[in-house]
Amino acid sequence: GAVVSQHPSRVICKSGTSVKIECRSLDFQATTMFWYRQFPKQSLMLMATSNEGSKATYEQGVEKDKFLINHASLTLSTLTVTSAHPEDSSFYICSAQEGEKTQYFGPGTRLLVL
Amino acid sequence: QKEVEQDPGPLSVPEGAIVSLNCTYSNSAFQYFMWYRQYSRKGPELLMYTYSSGNKEDGRFTAQVDKSSKYISLFIRDSQPSDSATYLCAMRITGTASKLTFGTGTRLQVTL
Repeated sequence: GAVVSQHPSRVICKSGTSVKIECRSLDFQATTMFWYRQFPKQSLMLMATSNEGSKATYEQGVEKDKFLINHASLTLSTLTVTSAHPEDSSFYICSAQEGEKTQYFGPGTRLLVL
Repeated sequence: QKEVEQDPGPLSVPEGAIVSLNCTYSNSAFQYFMWYRQYSRKGPELLMYTYSSGNKEDGRFTAQVDKSSKYISLFIRDSQPSDSATYLCAMRITGTASKLTFGTGTRLQVTL
């Protein structure tokens, strides 16, 4: 199956700093990428959808100025959590999709804000 | 009522058993149906992907979609302890940027 990578896999940062998470499709061109967050024992919650070269579409309740998404190429999307606070601590997962094909997920990034 | 209903479990079965996981949904516009497996602290892994109604088999896994009943199933034959994970059903309408709608996930435990 298609491979999606995420970096870093785990990050610890101080409150008030910004954190950037990268998502790459390794063997296909991702026309659409999605960003999710997941709290323990809960299902995935979609944060935003992005198409290459376009602005991301955010889900209701997700602050676009806090969670900056850049889908700069067909293989790379980044999520920047700006001025992170402890309540932003979560498991962030990206997924990538080529055309009408299905979504493939990355391994996730665990963020801990102290 | 949620768009996709899935029993959260936990479901505990002995090794070698046949496991049946199910989801029901209410949106008749769903055309693509997927099953993902998620281990703790990992991203979901695609197991099966089906378009419209029908059956699909891959190794020990069989996916069934019955659009008339709005019901999908995943069967796991000869279950192994390594199958212990959370299984998520997901579905979407057509469209390149259409969102996945997930079930809550069923936690499966395969015991020795």
